[in-house]
Amino acid sequence: QKEVEQDPGPLSVPEGAIVSLNCTYSNSAFQYFMWYRQYSRKGPELLMYTYSSGNKEDGRFTAQVDKSSKYISLFIRDSQPSDSATYLCAMSSNYGGATNKLIFGTGTLLAVQP
Amino acid sequence: DSGVTQTPKHLITATGQRVTLRCSPRSGDLSVYWYQQSLDQGLQFLIQYYNGEERAKGNILERFSAQQFPDLHSELNLSSLELGDSALYFCASSRRQGALQGDEQYFGPGTRLTVT
Repeated sequence: QKEVEQDPGPLSVPEGAIVSLNCTYSNSAFQYFMWYRQYSRKGPELLMYTYSSGNKEDGRFTAQVDKSSKYISLFIRDSQPSDSATYLCAMSSNYGGATNKLIFGTGTLLAVQP
Repeated sequence: DSGVTQTPKHLITATGQRVTLRCSPRSGDLSVYWYQQSLDQGLQFLIQYYNGEERAKGNILERFSAQQFPDLHSELNLSSLELGDSALYFCASSRRQGALQGDEQYFGPGTRLTVT
């Protein structure tokens, strides 16, 4: 079993829809949770960074972390064709502050249809 | 633009050869990370350097090595290349050394390596 599971999609939605992307994980030591957006053949772009459980909002994006269920989500409101990309969840734990390696999900391919 | 630069963008080489990938972190960042992205394995952590010192190793092959120089740029050396080493190689950087709150990683545009 992988440490981080993510539905690969593809997910196709009409413009203006609310998109929900999810990841589950097995390592209870994870404390830091991130969402990256990756356009084809480009580097991952950091969208959201959250620590521990709770919600964080930034514009049209909302990240939710539920550590009790080992489940994280990214919601995109009023989705746009420019949101079409692969969305990667990533996580890390604080190994005494000595390392910051990220464990990534496999990514969900999102297509927003105009 | 994340501020992390990587060269070259593309690299095509033959099996058995050796290549060097270069990364310059964002201004002020002390940690550099290398990741490999392939279709079957996804994004995998290879190695981390902080202020010139190796801090963590992931699934990095013995044929691969890295270093971080005094000016904080980093190089990833890949030797005895095999077809399976074909992948995207990303460098990321962060301000500090550990998984601390606010120590986000920013990725460069990557180097696409093709081994023929």
